[in-house]
Amino acid sequence: DAGVTQTPRHEVAEKGQTIILKCEPVSGHNDLFWYRQTKIQGLELLSYFRSKSLMEDGGAFKDRFKAEMLNSSFSTLKIQPTEPKDSAVYLCASSYWGGYAEQFFGPGTRLTVL
Amino acid sequence: GQQVKQSSPSLTVQEGGISILNCDYENDMFDYFAWYKKYPDNSPTLLISVRSNVDKREDGRLTVFLNKSGKHFSLHITASQPEDTAVYLCAAGDSGGSNYKLTFGKGTLLTVTP
Repeated sequence: DAGVTQTPRHEVAEKGQTIILKCEPVSGHNDLFWYRQTKIQGLELLSYFRSKSLMEDGGAFKDRFKAEMLNSSFSTLKIQPTEPKDSAVYLCASSYWGGYAEQFFGPGTRLTVL
Repeated sequence: GQQVKQSSPSLTVQEGGISILNCDYENDMFDYFAWYKKYPDNSPTLLISVRSNVDKREDGRLTVFLNKSGKHFSLHITASQPEDTAVYLCAAGDSGGSNYKLTFGKGTLLTVTP
């Protein structure tokens, strides 16, 4: 079975640009998570979907970060406008529904904002 | 503030020794506790997890100890091997409201020396 896939693997953007990161969860998984990973803050939750419904929108990340899940097999994370402080690795993870289940992480997208 | 805290950013253990990784949390409502392992340039993978109704769980060389009154849990790795060298992330969750998001610590880099 395919794991979580993320594209692109690397993205370089100019300050002020709009970028869209993509994620395909493991087939059959109902929960999908977007995280930002930095050395200073570690793993921070950006968004959490359950069966395509938004459960958590990441509070402090609401203003420029928008995640969507239009169908059960695809999600996007839009950052608009990008700022240099957004440079980080963005991870997508998915898990089965029905209580706490193992989160399977994708390989991540490394974003650099100049 | 940090809801899940790993106070030691790094730990070095000799091969064959016991590695003890610690995690403290603030939220009394957390009822799920997990340890994830992350190799450099790879994504986290689940090692072991426990629910709040148990104090201890063993799986091979791994043991999780949960101290609810102290809001603390730990991961013990016996007979540590060089291949155990990685970043270990603790995570906790509160399933109230059927919200199964996890809050992660910043990680502890374990180095096992030959």
